[in-house]
Amino acid sequence: EDKVVQSPLSLVVHEGDTVTLNCSYEVTNFRSLLWYKQEKKAPTFLFMLTSSGIEKKSGRLSSILDKKELFSILNITATQTGDSAIYLCAVEALSSGTYKYIFGTGTRLKVLA
Amino acid sequence: DTEVTQTPKHLVMGMTNKKSLKCEQHMGHRAMYWYKQKAKKPPELMFVYSYEKLSINESVPSRFSPECPNSSLLNLHLHALQPEDSALYLCASSTGGLRYNSPLHFGNGTRLTVT
Repeated sequence: EDKVVQSPLSLVVHEGDTVTLNCSYEVTNFRSLLWYKQEKKAPTFLFMLTSSGIEKKSGRLSSILDKKELFSILNITATQTGDSAIYLCAVEALSSGTYKYIFGTGTRLKVLA
Repeated sequence: DTEVTQTPKHLVMGMTNKKSLKCEQHMGHRAMYWYKQKAKKPPELMFVYSYEKLSINESVPSRFSPECPNSSLLNLHLHALQPEDSALYLCASSTGGLRYNSPLHFGNGTRLTVT
């Protein structure tokens, strides 16, 4: 059965701290791994990773994928209270001839002022 | 605002009602998805349409009936729901197809309460 696991489940830090969120997966026919941020409504897209070892970066956020060890990390440096959210990892995998996106449990991040 | 539009934003319905959720995208995406999300849980896949054909049904009860009238529209028809079906229902789209991949683009969801 396809599985995506995130850790930690929740995290409380202070502004300015650096955090590392983890996502490991076991799926057949992997195509990509995606990171999303969810506040009150719909998840918003952060990164899509398809190749191993390539870092994607946007401002204070960065992510890397290890296809050999089947995991990804999302780093947030100099955290701000606006980074408080649930961070979701999703893996795109082939099923019944169609690609579907399987979500992990999410990491709930709270950044204190 | 997102490029995937869902209506209504909120819906309260009784267990004997019939209602529909609607989703629309104009990004030319050919794959569309319904997800269900309960509080403090990740989105859970319900259905996938690929090129207007139902390609994945994740063993969803028949009281949920999806429909894809054309490549831009996706509906979810609801009938005889249970209180435990109360959740945020998210529609999403992606480019679709086996050659190209893109992120999932989500709508803002319909918050459904079944009384």
